[in-house]
Amino acid sequence: KQEVTQIPAALSVPEGENLVLNCSFTDSAIYNLQWFRQDPGKGLTSLLLIQSSQREQTSGRLNASLDKSSGRSTLYIAASQPGDSATYLCAVGEYGNKLVFGAGTILRVKS
Amino acid sequence: NAGVMQNPRHLVRRRGQEARLRCSPMKGHSHVYWYRQLPEEGLKFMVYLQKENIIDESGMPKERFSAEFPKEGPSILRIQQVVRGDSAAYFCASSPAVNMNTEAFFGQGTRLTVV
Repeated sequence: KQEVTQIPAALSVPEGENLVLNCSFTDSAIYNLQWFRQDPGKGLTSLLLIQSSQREQTSGRLNASLDKSSGRSTLYIAASQPGDSATYLCAVGEYGNKLVFGAGTILRVKS
Repeated sequence: NAGVMQNPRHLVRRRGQEARLRCSPMKGHSHVYWYRQLPEEGLKFMVYLQKENIIDESGMPKERFSAEFPKEGPSILRIQQVVRGDSAAYFCASSPAVNMNTEAFFGQGTRLTVV
């Protein structure tokens, strides 16, 4: 059974800092891996999708990497801004595109 | 092209009543997924449907919960005889295909409160 763990559970940083969020998973037989952002009381916004055959994806200030063999992914956020404050969710895609989610990292960027 | 539409956004039900949650996928998407987010917990998969078919219901509670995705109209998640423990946010996601390059797009969720 796939298990997804995210570290740290919460993170508070000053504006402008670069930061890394970590995600690990137990079963390397994955379809893909997605990073989402969730604002309080809102839905999920897809940030990046990495196919199982890829090593990384980039979008603006975000870069996500995937190491399937070690069961790890990282989300790198450059030059953080207060608007980046949210919960970041890592989700592993299994066959059928069913997603297994981690518990999330709550990020607070202080101005 | 509107995103995934869920309604209602908030639903209050008394214990023992029925709750019906609706999800209209993005245009052109024939794959629908329901997830539940309990307070202080992560999202958990419930069920995966294509038009008129349940493909995977391994995450659905065995009793009181059912889902459908008819040929016409939205997908419905139905909870009979609700209990306090059903209070949660229920999210629907849709995708156009099933392959490793396919993103899941999520709706805003329905927040169910059982009183």
